[in-house]
Amino acid sequence: GAGVSQSPSNKVTEKGKDVELRCDPISGHTALYWYRQSLGQGLEFLIYFQGNSAPDKSGLPSDRFSAERTGGSVSTLTIQRTQQEDSAVYLCASSVFLAGGPGDTQYFGPGTRLTVL
Amino acid sequence: DQQVKQNSPSLSVQEGRISILNCDYTNSMFDYFLWYKKYPAEGPTFLISISSIKDKNEDGRFTVFLNKSAKHLSLHIVPSQPGDSAVYFCAASANDYKLSFGAGTTVTVRA
Repeated sequence: GAGVSQSPSNKVTEKGKDVELRCDPISGHTALYWYRQSLGQGLEFLIYFQGNSAPDKSGLPSDRFSAERTGGSVSTLTIQRTQQEDSAVYLCASSVFLAGGPGDTQYFGPGTRLTVL
Repeated sequence: DQQVKQNSPSLSVQEGRISILNCDYTNSMFDYFLWYKKYPAEGPTFLISISSIKDKNEDGRFTVFLNKSAKHLSLHIVPSQPGDSAVYFCAASANDYKLSFGAGTTVTVRA
């Protein structure tokens, strides 16, 4: 079946512009995660959605970052007034919700490489 | 503040030999550990995991060892194959869905 897809694969923007990154999870997966990987760093947790529960936004680095998930499926991560330090690969993952723990295997998309000039 | 560290950014190994990847963590609350593998232009894929109640977990050619007292885990790949050439990420969790990842180790298997 289809895996997690993300678009665009690459995005170059100017400092101060807003960007939207899209994630299509695996059909039937109720849990959705956003991570980012800055150069030379590990993946950093950003936000978690599970069903109709309030999202866990504890990883968002600033209020310029927001995300939504419409209809329990597609998710959009929005970065307002982008800064050069926002340059990173943004990865989305989805999982079946079993216990809401690390045993819920996360399936990752290929990521969106964001470059802020 | 990196709570999971992979101090070797790269590893080169001959086909058929053992690959040993190392990972250290600082958060004593971590109780579940995972390894992910990533090919270029693809997302990371789950490889193997271990709970803190165990010190070893084996799956085919892949074995993960956990040393809780040293806050250290390792991944052994035996025998290494050309298809194992990839970036390997160590990840850890404090029994929830948030995974903390290391920066990755690039493995190159030489024919």
